[in-house]
Amino acid sequence: GAVVSQHPSRVICKSGTSVKIECRSLDFQATTMFWYRQFPKQSLMLMATSNEGSKATYEQGVEKDKFLINHASLTLSTLTVTSAHPEDSSFYICSARTSGGYNEQFFGPGTRLTVL
Amino acid sequence: AQSVSQHNHHVILSEAASLELGCNYSYGGTVNLFWYVQYPGQHLQLLLKYFSGDPLVKGIKGFEAEFIKSKFSFNLRKPSVQWSDTAEYFCAVRGNNRLAFGKGNQVVVIP
Repeated sequence: GAVVSQHPSRVICKSGTSVKIECRSLDFQATTMFWYRQFPKQSLMLMATSNEGSKATYEQGVEKDKFLINHASLTLSTLTVTSAHPEDSSFYICSARTSGGYNEQFFGPGTRLTVL
Repeated sequence: AQSVSQHNHHVILSEAASLELGCNYSYGGTVNLFWYVQYPGQHLQLLLKYFSGDPLVKGIKGFEAEFIKSKFSFNLRKPSVQWSDTAEYFCAVRGNNRLAFGKGNQVVVIP
């Protein structure tokens, strides 16, 4: 299957700083990318959907000014957690989907964010 | 928006036992159904999917799932598990261009 990478895999930052997480589709073009957040022993919660070249669509309850998403190319999307707080500590997973019918979503390995 | 229910979050069984994980969803429109697996320390991988056609779908590693439309269910089965099947299993439903996940089943297979 197609490969999606995320960088970094782990990040620890101080409260109030901003953190950028990259998501790349390595061997296919992803017209749509998704960002999820996963709490321990809980489901993946969709945060936002981004289409290349357009603004991301955020799910209800997700602050778009806090979680900045940029999908500048067909192989790269970034999530920036601005002014991070300890409650933002979580596991962030990106997913990329190809275009066309019966399209499948491929998932990245996730990024563990810890805000001190 | 759709919702997905998975019961019995923790499942412990012995090798060669049969496994069945339940998945129920709520959504009024057309759905695509998926089961993903996450092995320890690894990312989500697709086990199998249902879009249309035969409601009994076969996936990788001997897994299969049956879509029962009248019950809004998509249960996952494997007749004989192995130690290497220890992982977390997520059911997911896509409707209205959104993929919603259940809370997952943590499956531990004892050698």
